[in-house]
Amino acid sequence: AQKVTQAQTEISVVEKEDVTLDCVYETRDTTYYLFWYKQPPSGELVFLIRRNSFDEQNEISGRYSWNFQKSTSSFNFTITASQVVDSAVYFCALSESPTGGGNKLTFGTGTQLKVEL
Amino acid sequence: NAGVTQTPKFQVLKTGQSMTLQCAQDMNHEYMSWYRQDPGMGLRLIHYSVGAGITDQGEVPNGYNVSRSTTEDFPLRLLSAAPSQTSVYFCASNPGTVVSYEQYFGPGTRLTVT
Repeated sequence: AQKVTQAQTEISVVEKEDVTLDCVYETRDTTYYLFWYKQPPSGELVFLIRRNSFDEQNEISGRYSWNFQKSTSSFNFTITASQVVDSAVYFCALSESPTGGGNKLTFGTGTQLKVEL
Repeated sequence: NAGVTQTPKFQVLKTGQSMTLQCAQDMNHEYMSWYRQDPGMGLRLIHYSVGAGITDQGEVPNGYNVSRSTTEDFPLRLLSAAPSQTSVYFCASNPGTVVSYEQYFGPGTRLTVT
């Protein structure tokens, strides 16, 4: 069975600080896909990134970066120079779908990020 | 494209009542699924479908039925609502191809069962 653990329930930072959200996963498959979603206070789910298991390159998108380490089964998410608009719940998710489409996602319990002025 | 739409946005039911949560997508996606979100538990998969006429159970299927008669629609039925089904329900769709990237989520339906 697959499992995603987000041990940080809530994180509070002051604007402009860097913050890292942790994600640890468990799966028996050799091919799998990892995702991060953002859920702002308005409630919708916003896709941030997908990473497949055979691509361990880290990725940077503006102030966002992701560190994928198969050796520790982790897929951590860092926000650089955080802003108030980053305040949201962030979910890490895992899919073992052979199509890579993420149809059946296993979610972590989420990390509530609060960015204060 | 409207994307994934869900109706209603809010619903209050009494224990024992039945209702159907509607989900539709206009992207011709093969894959559709239903999740529920509860505080402290993330999202959990209820049922999913890989195409019209094909459905299967997810992690928490009890108390829910689904059918997929068309590619566009994937309704979720609560046969006899229970307070434990108070939750936010999200419908999602996906093209179901190797290169497809993301699960497209609807805006959610907030259901309260009293």
